Amino acid sequence: DTGVSQDPRHKITKRGQNVTFRCDPISEHNRLYWYRQTLGQGPEFLTYFQNEAQLEKSRLLSDRFSAERPKGSFSTLEIQRTEQGDSAMYLCASTQGGGTEAFFGQGTRLTVV
Amino acid sequence: GENVEQHPSTLSVQEGDSAVIKCTYSDSASNYFPWYKQELGKRPQLIIDIRSNVGEKKDQRIAVTLNKTAKHFSLHITETQPEDSAVYFCAAKPGGGADGLTFGKGTHLIIQP
Repeated sequence: DTGVSQDPRHKITKRGQNVTFRCDPISEHNRLYWYRQTLGQGPEFLTYFQNEAQLEKSRLLSDRFSAERPKGSFSTLEIQRTEQGDSAMYLCASTQGGGTEAFFGQGTRLTVV
Repeated sequence: GENVEQHPSTLSVQEGDSAVIKCTYSDSASNYFPWYKQELGKRPQLIIDIRSNVGEKKDQRIAVTLNKTAKHFSLHITETQPEDSAVYFCAAKPGGGADGLTFGKGTHLIIQP
């Protein structure tokens, strides 16, 4: 599969636990984005990387959220001390450059109970 | 930051008729405007995009128009078919070096047989 892949597809966690999601972008894409989507809403931008550098972070990204892309390939998004309000679909996307088509992954659906 | 408003939230049309979805944006420096289609439980997929130096773009039954002065852009689908039923999102890429897309809240398009 040459598309964007995310793992896991679903995650149920108890409030207060930490969770980590992984995204593998399309191999030749140097930009990687994280978005969050709640029911009935459009995706909300969280952060993006160009290669291994994190270049932009939304104010939506609280201190409990951290993202990495250590070798400029896959990325991880960690949420510490999860809250019920963190329940959402977390989408990853990649592009070859700014202002070009963003290819989305299938997402990781997080449920915090 | 950028703000994107999308209307209507739900649109029901007869099969074969045309559908129009409208979006407005706030950042006059925004320069890239994609439209995404998201079927239930699936990832968003790009259907058409337009850059700020172009007023109109067409791809078979789908067209997008952009009015930079009024800061609005629209999606037009002609000869609608049942498989066009989905949620459609407009988005804008802010200017000034920012790269994350700002999405509208989506339009649920229903094609009536």
